[in-house]
Amino acid sequence: DIQMTQSPSSLSASVGDRVTITCRASQSISSYLNWYQHKPGKAPKFLIYEASSLQSGVPSRFSGSGSGTYFTLTISSLQPEDFATYYCQQSYSVPLTFGGGTKVEIK
Amino acid sequence: EVQLVESGGHLAQPGGSLKLSCAASGFTFSGSAIHWVRQRSGKGLEWVGRIRSRPADYATAYAASVIGRFTISRDDSQNMAYLEMSSLKAEDTAVYYCTSPLSDYVFNFDLWGQGTLVTVSS
Repeated sequence: DIQMTQSPSSLSASVGDRVTITCRASQSISSYLNWYQHKPGKAPKFLIYEASSLQSGVPSRFSGSGSGTYFTLTISSLQPEDFATYYCQQSYSVPLTFGGGTKVEIK
Repeated sequence: EVQLVESGGHLAQPGGSLKLSCAASGFTFSGSAIHWVRQRSGKGLEWVGRIRSRPADYATAYAASVIGRFTISRDDSQNMAYLEMSSLKAEDTAVYYCTSPLSDYVFNFDLWGQGTLVTVSS
């Protein structure tokens, strides 16, 4: 199985900050990497697919990059509605696997 | 409206069984794979399994933690998917989401339900 490791597990940031979350795969997954945003009591929201393509309707302050085993999610200017937990997920092979999540909290 | 709605979650006994349902609307259900993902309390998202569409022979796949205990099925005539759980363990306690890539060719989770809570306890 492909293991996905996210870091940090949590971070504190202020509105307007630039935030970067990293995700590493235990083997190369090319660009088959997705990112999701999850708020308590809500359904997860699909943000980015194939490492860097923004899902329709997602604000442009979100961006993704990377390939192979190293990926990043960047929020260029953190907004109040962005405080949530973010997950990476490899879409390369079954069993599909998620990273452990990064909780973005208000400083 | 494009949506997935889960139901059937409740308190179950260890060793018992439970069947979750996922009702789909607003998209071509018969051509879409359906996945189940769970979140244990305070933990991250965990893929449980998936069922593909008819052209892919309704192929299923499961996480190692549920193989032999969980079964995913679907009824395209009713736009429904199901997760049958047996030999339940305390560690199966979680919110269960059904999710779909709205196709059968990618492993992206475009659409999610709101989730249904399963509690396994005596």
